[in-house]
Amino acid sequence: AQKITQTQPGMFVQEKEAVTLDCTYDTSDQSYGLFWYKQPSSGEMIFLIYQGSYDEQNATEGRYSLNFQKARKSANLVISASQLGDSAMYFCAMREGPKNTGNQFYFGTGTSLTVIP
Amino acid sequence: KAGVTQTPRYLIKTRGQQVTLSCSPISGHRSVSWYQQTPGQGLQFLFEYFSETQRNKGNFPGRFSGRQFSNSRSEMNVSTLELGDSALYLCASSARYTGELFFGEGSRLTVL
Repeated sequence: AQKITQTQPGMFVQEKEAVTLDCTYDTSDQSYGLFWYKQPSSGEMIFLIYQGSYDEQNATEGRYSLNFQKARKSANLVISASQLGDSAMYFCAMREGPKNTGNQFYFGTGTSLTVIP
Repeated sequence: KAGVTQTPRYLIKTRGQQVTLSCSPISGHRSVSWYQQTPGQGLQFLFEYFSETQRNKGNFPGRFSGRQFSNSRSEMNVSTLELGDSALYLCASSARYTGELFFGEGSRLTVL
């Protein structure tokens, strides 16, 4: 089974509107971390936001927020007030186990977001 | 603070050759991971090094190897290159107690 599933290969959003990128995960670990990364056409992976499995509140970083629903095993990324520079590939990722036990991340297949002027 | 630096950025090799890629992590980061990104397979974990020791390894053949030096810089080597090894190879470093990976810009390998 896939550890991370992103079901939206491509998404379009109007500039200044909000958009939700879906991510579901599969793990039997109690301690894990969920991450979102942005990859522009240049190729570099840019860290956006992190949610720990024991965090009770949804993570927020500026215009990014993570809608964490533990029981449903989902970790959707919400981008508010979309900007043209948000056009990129977005990857959801998971690290199983506590922070200091290793950094094997599992990545989803990504969602290509296009922001329309 | 300088980011993760990967060299070379682009390279072209022929089948059967070998290649070495280099990664300098963010200062103070002791964990270095390598990922292969291809259109067909996506991002796949190769291996992780921490304090010069391989801590985790992905499901890749033995042709893929790596090492980490005492200054945390890391190299990965691919021997007997195959066409399917054409990919973007991404290196990432991490501070021990924060968890997020910080990626370099990648080394784009083309095998002809």
